[in-house]
Amino acid sequence: NAGVTQTPKFQVLKTGQSMTLQCAQDMNHEYMSWYRQDPGMGLRLIHYSVGAGITDQGEVPNGYNVSRSTTEDFPLRLLSAAPSQTSVYFCASSYNGNSYNSPLHFGNGTRLTVT
Amino acid sequence: GDSVTQMEGPVTLSEEAFLTINCTYTATGYPSLFWYVQYPGEGLQLLLKATKADDKGSNKGFEATYRKETTSFHLEKGSVQVSDSAVYFCALSNSGGYQKVTFGTGTKLQVIP
Repeated sequence: NAGVTQTPKFQVLKTGQSMTLQCAQDMNHEYMSWYRQDPGMGLRLIHYSVGAGITDQGEVPNGYNVSRSTTEDFPLRLLSAAPSQTSVYFCASSYNGNSYNSPLHFGNGTRLTVT
Repeated sequence: GDSVTQMEGPVTLSEEAFLTINCTYTATGYPSLFWYVQYPGEGLQLLLKATKADDKGSNKGFEATYRKETTSFHLEKGSVQVSDSAVYFCALSNSGGYQKVTFGTGTKLQVIP
């Protein structure tokens, strides 16, 4: 049981490049989400999904796209990377997005640097 | 909107010392409260949770009590170990059609032998 798997672990991009951060979970969780972690700011929600085919914006969605074609996968796309997107990105899932008692399960993160 | 305030770190303690990390929150309704821990190079993992007022969450010697009257959820441990060195995040989850989780900024704990 792998839990939440994120790839890659590290990535360096040049300004304007695009890339996709991958996230997969094998726990049959309905809810999946992407956060970014920046020093002194905690974690901020980028996008989330409450099931296959359903996505919505979080607190800081600009510059990012998501899709959810299967229950297992929730990729995050950077359309045109900017230095302000330098951050550590975490994918998280939980059993039921409508139950606020369900804890989040996190991947190990992707450290992205945009130069 | 909802918010979580944690004491700023870093916190440095000697092994076997008593730990308190303060956490207060602002939220409407009746949120659930969580403590997550992040070890170096890893993602966050759930440490403990409490879902209603006066509940006490506990795990691995850590505990926190949901105090609605003071809107607090302070994390405590009676005797810390070097292996407890990590960043600790207080968080709340509120109703709103989806799992809306608000995190504090994190408190780094360093335990020295």
